[in-house]
Amino acid sequence: GAVVSQHPSWVICKSGTSVKIECRSLDFQATTMFWYRQFPKQSLMLMATSNEGSKATYEQGVEKDKFLINHASLTLSTLTVTSAHPEDSSFYICSASTGVHTEAFFGQGTRLTVV
Amino acid sequence: GQNIDQPTEMTATEGAIVQINCTYQTSGFNGLFWYQQHAGEAPTFLSYNVLDGLEEKGRFSSFLSRSKGYSYLLLKELQMKDSASYLCAVMDSNYQLIWGAGTKLIIKP
Repeated sequence: GAVVSQHPSWVICKSGTSVKIECRSLDFQATTMFWYRQFPKQSLMLMATSNEGSKATYEQGVEKDKFLINHASLTLSTLTVTSAHPEDSSFYICSASTGVHTEAFFGQGTRLTVV
Repeated sequence: GQNIDQPTEMTATEGAIVQINCTYQTSGFNGLFWYQQHAGEAPTFLSYNVLDGLEEKGRFSSFLSRSKGYSYLLLKELQMKDSASYLCAVMDSNYQLIWGAGTKLIIKP
C-alpha cells in the first residue's frame, strides 16, 4: 500500500513554543490530507482537511490561528502548533488520500508533550 | 446528528473467533472502513465495504448491511498480536470519515 511518513514521531516542547509536524506521501500524490488529534482512549478527532494549494478547512472548535496547516505540494502537508500549552499534549495523526472513494493512508503519528 | 456505535471492549481467547459490531447513522453513505490500531500507533487499514455482503480477506472478514446501518468485523483464528483497538468509520455524503470510538479487543491465551 501507499506510504505516508510523519515526522517527528514524538516531541517534547516547552509551553509557549511552536512545534511543526510534517506529513509526506512518499509514493503517491495526495490531493487531500487530514489532520487528526487523539486523546488517550478516545477516538480520532478530525481537526482539519487540507487540499493542495488551498486553505485548510477546519472543524468546529479547532482554532485555525493556533493550528496552522500548510499543504503546499501534493506530497507534503505541515501542521504547526503555535504557542503550545500542556492541554495541547496529544497524539497527532495525519492521513492522506488520492481522492474520494479511497482509503486513507495514515502516518505513524506524532506524540506531542508540552511541559 | 451522525454517530457510530461499537462496543467499548471485548475479550476473546487465542485461536477463537470474534465478531465486532458497528452500527451507524450518517448523512449519506459512501462506504464503511475498518481499521486496526495498536496502542500508541496510527491506524492501519483492514477493509472497505460499500455494497451489501461479506468481504473476506484472510483471517479477517467484514460484512455490511446498508438497509440496517450495520457492519461487523469477523476475526478468525485469533492470535495474541490481534490485541488492538478496531475502529469503524463511515464515509458520509460529503466524503468525510465519521469515526467510531473503537473497540478494544483483548486476547487471552
